[in-house]
Amino acid sequence: KQEVTQIPAALSVPEGENLVLNCSFTDSAIYNLQWFRQDPGKGLTSLLLIQSSQREQTSGRLNASLDKSSGRSTLYIAASQPGDSATYLCAVRHGGRRALTFGSGTRLQVQP
Amino acid sequence: AAGVIQSPRHLIKEKRETATLKCYPIPRHDTVYWYQQGPGQDPQFLISFYEKMQSDKGSIPDRFSAQQFSDYHSELNMSSLELGDSALYFCASSPRDAATDTQYFGPGTRLTVL
Repeated sequence: KQEVTQIPAALSVPEGENLVLNCSFTDSAIYNLQWFRQDPGKGLTSLLLIQSSQREQTSGRLNASLDKSSGRSTLYIAASQPGDSATYLCAVRHGGRRALTFGSGTRLQVQP
Repeated sequence: AAGVIQSPRHLIKEKRETATLKCYPIPRHDTVYWYQQGPGQDPQFLISFYEKMQSDKGSIPDRFSAQQFSDYHSELNMSSLELGDSALYFCASSPRDAATDTQYFGPGTRLTVL
């Protein structure tokens, strides 16, 4: 059974810092990996999707990397802003299924 | 751009009652997914539909059923509600093109069972 772990569970940084969020998964036979943002009590906003054949994806200040063989992905946020404060979830789609398996998230607080 | 629509946004029910949640996918998306997120927990996959047929099944209780209709909207029917069913229920949709397999999530329906 696929298990997804995110470290750290919570992170507080001052505005302007660059930061890295980590995601690891136990079964490397994934189809793709998706990073989401969730504000308290709100829905999930898709940030980036990386196909299993890709190594990284970039969108603005966000860069996600994927090392499928080691079962790891990182989300890099450059020049963090208070508006980045939210919970960040990674989710993997296992090969052969379309359902996503989520990690428990990293709760990010960016201090002004 | 159009997004996934879910209704109602909030629902309060008593134990043993029934509830129906509705999901309207993004136009031209043919796959719908349902997820349940309990308080302080990560979303758990319940069930999905592709072209109106069940395509995958997760940890959906037998008390729950779902279907996808000809216009691609989906309904999650929940019976004999229990306190533990209180959660945020998300619907997501994705397009036919596997190259853009991003799942787009709706705002969720918050179900409270008293």
